[in-house]
Amino acid sequence: NAGVMQNPRHLVRRRGQEARLRCSPMKGHSHVYWYRQLPEEGLKFMVYLQKENIIDESGMPKERFSAEFPKEGPSILRIQQVVRGDSAAYFCASSSQRARETYNEQFFGPGTRLTVL
Amino acid sequence: DQQVKQNSPSLSVQEGRISILNCDYTNSMFDYFLWYKKYPAEGPTFLISISSIKDKNEDGRFTVFLNKSAKHLSLHIVPSQPGDSAVYFCAASGVSNTGKLIFGQGTTLQVKP
Repeated sequence: NAGVMQNPRHLVRRRGQEARLRCSPMKGHSHVYWYRQLPEEGLKFMVYLQKENIIDESGMPKERFSAEFPKEGPSILRIQQVVRGDSAAYFCASSSQRARETYNEQFFGPGTRLTVL
Repeated sequence: DQQVKQNSPSLSVQEGRISILNCDYTNSMFDYFLWYKKYPAEGPTFLISISSIKDKNEDGRFTVFLNKSAKHLSLHIVPSQPGDSAVYFCAASGVSNTGKLIFGQGTTLQVKP
């Protein structure tokens, strides 16, 4: 059973370009979370999606960032007009749907390291 | 507003001894706590968790203790092994929210042979 897949693993963009990060959750998982890790910091929650729905985007910057999880295909985190401050590691995690009395563990992908020149 | 704090950026211990990593939180709505281990250039790997209805959870060499009144948890690794050298993140979540994890800044553990 393959784990969470993310691609590309490394992405270099110039200021003003667009970055698209992809995440394929574990088989059978329908919940996807995106986190960002800036240098020397912990992971910060960005957005939580289920198939075709954004459930919680409280951690997403208001401008330039968007996320989707279509019915078919991977989840996409899109950053428009990238700036140097967007340079970070972006991690995707997936979880299965479980009863609310048990915590639905999140499994993380290897991350995409975005560098903005 | 750092709701989960790991105040020790690094820890160095000798192989075979105990490693104790600490974590403090401020939000009393958190009811589930997790520890993740992370190697460079990899994603975090789940290690152990504890629900707020418990004060201790043990899994092999790893034990997590929760002190709700102090809003403090700790991870004990006994005995420590060189392969345990990694960054350890404490994370918290509340069933009342969407399951998102709030992470601490991480503690880099080095276990010396």
